[in-house]
Amino acid sequence: GQQVMQIPQYQHVQEGEDFTTYCNSSTTLSNIQWYKQRPGGHPVFLIQLVKSGEVKKQKRLTFQFGEAKKNSSLHITATQTTDVGTYFCAGRYGQNFVFGPGTRLSVLP
Amino acid sequence: NAGVTQTPKFQVLKTGQSMTLQCAQDMNHEYMSWYRQDPGMGLRLIHYSVGAGITDQGEVPNGYNVSRSTTEDFPLRLLSAAPSQTSVYFCASSNQGQAYEQYFGPGTRLTVT
Repeated sequence: GQQVMQIPQYQHVQEGEDFTTYCNSSTTLSNIQWYKQRPGGHPVFLIQLVKSGEVKKQKRLTFQFGEAKKNSSLHITATQTTDVGTYFCAGRYGQNFVFGPGTRLSVLP
Repeated sequence: NAGVTQTPKFQVLKTGQSMTLQCAQDMNHEYMSWYRQDPGMGLRLIHYSVGAGITDQGEVPNGYNVSRSTTEDFPLRLLSAAPSQTSVYFCASSNQGQAYEQYFGPGTRLTVT
C-alpha cells in the first residue's frame, strides 16, 4: 500500500531557531496536506498543496511540494513556544489521505 | 456550528465487550472518516464514507463496523474489543470540493483491558 514517511521523528530546538520537517511518499501524490496537533489535542488543518513545485507561506511557516509530487517540507522560521506540537503530512491517494507518522517539535524557551 | 463532535471522550472496556463510538458533524459534509492514532504511527484510516448509505474500508478495518444512515452521523462499532484496539480514535469530515480540508473531532481515548 501507499506509504508516507516523515523525518525527523523528534526535534528539539531553542526558541528562535528554525525547524524543518520532511515528508516523502512512495508514489506520486494528487495533493498533500499538513496538520498540526497540540499535545492532548486533535489534528488541525494547516494547508493543502496541489501543484508541482508549489510554495505557500503562512507567516513564519513555509510549505513546499516537490517537483515530482512525491515529497514535501514544512519550514518554521524563528520558532516560538506556541509552535510546540506534532506536525503531520497527509498524502492524498484517490479519495483518501495517508498520514505520515509525524514530527514532534519541542521548543525550549 | 459545533463542527465535529465525538462521544464519549474516554472509555474503558473489558476484552470481548462491544461498544459504539459516536460521531456527528453539522457542516453538511459528504465525506466522513474514522482514524486511530497510536504512538509513533500517525493516524491510520479505519473506515470512511463518501455519503449517506455508502461506506468503505480503510487501512485497518478489522474488528470495526460502520454505518452512515444520515449525512450527519457516522458511528464506529467495536464488535468484540481486544487490547490491540487500545488507542485514540478520531472522527473527521470534509467536503468533496476542491479543498478537502479535514475537520477532526476531539477524539475518544479507548482502553481495553
